[in-house]
Amino acid sequence: EAGVAQSPRYKIIEKRQSVAFWCNPISGHATLYWYQQILGQGPKLLIQFQNNGVVDDSQLPKDRFSAERLKGVDSTLKIQPAKLEDSAVYLCASSSRGQDYEQYFGPGTRLTVT
Amino acid sequence: AQKITQTQPGMFVQEKEAVTLDCTYDTSDPSYGLFWYKQPSSGEMIFLIYQGSYDQQNATEGRYSLNFQKARKSANLVISASQLGDSAMYFCAMRVTYGNNRLAFGKGNQVVVIP
Repeated sequence: EAGVAQSPRYKIIEKRQSVAFWCNPISGHATLYWYQQILGQGPKLLIQFQNNGVVDDSQLPKDRFSAERLKGVDSTLKIQPAKLEDSAVYLCASSSRGQDYEQYFGPGTRLTVT
Repeated sequence: AQKITQTQPGMFVQEKEAVTLDCTYDTSDPSYGLFWYKQPSSGEMIFLIYQGSYDQQNATEGRYSLNFQKARKSANLVISASQLGDSAMYFCAMRVTYGNNRLAFGKGNQVVVIP
């Protein structure tokens, strides 16, 4: 079974530029999560999708972050414009319906904003 | 709101020995789940073990066991017979059953296994 795929693995941008991350969850997983992990901290949930609907985006900085999950499969997370404090690893995870306690994570995208 | 606390400094463990990682939590919800994840240097989070708040027995998964003390609000992870591949960051997390379903993570414990 293929795991959660993310791209790119690394990205370096200047502040005020925009960036997008892509995530492909495990086939058949209805729930998709985007987390932000700042160095030295645990992951923080940014947004959770159930199929293509948003379940929780209360911690997403909506003035600069946006995410979509068209067709309930792949998802993209965008930052526009980026700030220095957005430097972090962005993790995507997925879980199957009824098995929400076991989330499978992708390798993450390490973003550096200079 | 739920809160997870992991305060141990980085730990060095001799290969084949056991190691205990501390985790305390705080929630007013009676129904919740506790999780441990491993994050090696490659970056992905690997699910290790789960404990429900109403589970009567401590969870075990191979070399991993969870020492769940509900009254103390602690959920310590025990890794038995440490292996070099156990070197990683370990994160404790919690989710309340009835609520926003958000998984809240602690800051993690660094473990280095030495031969």
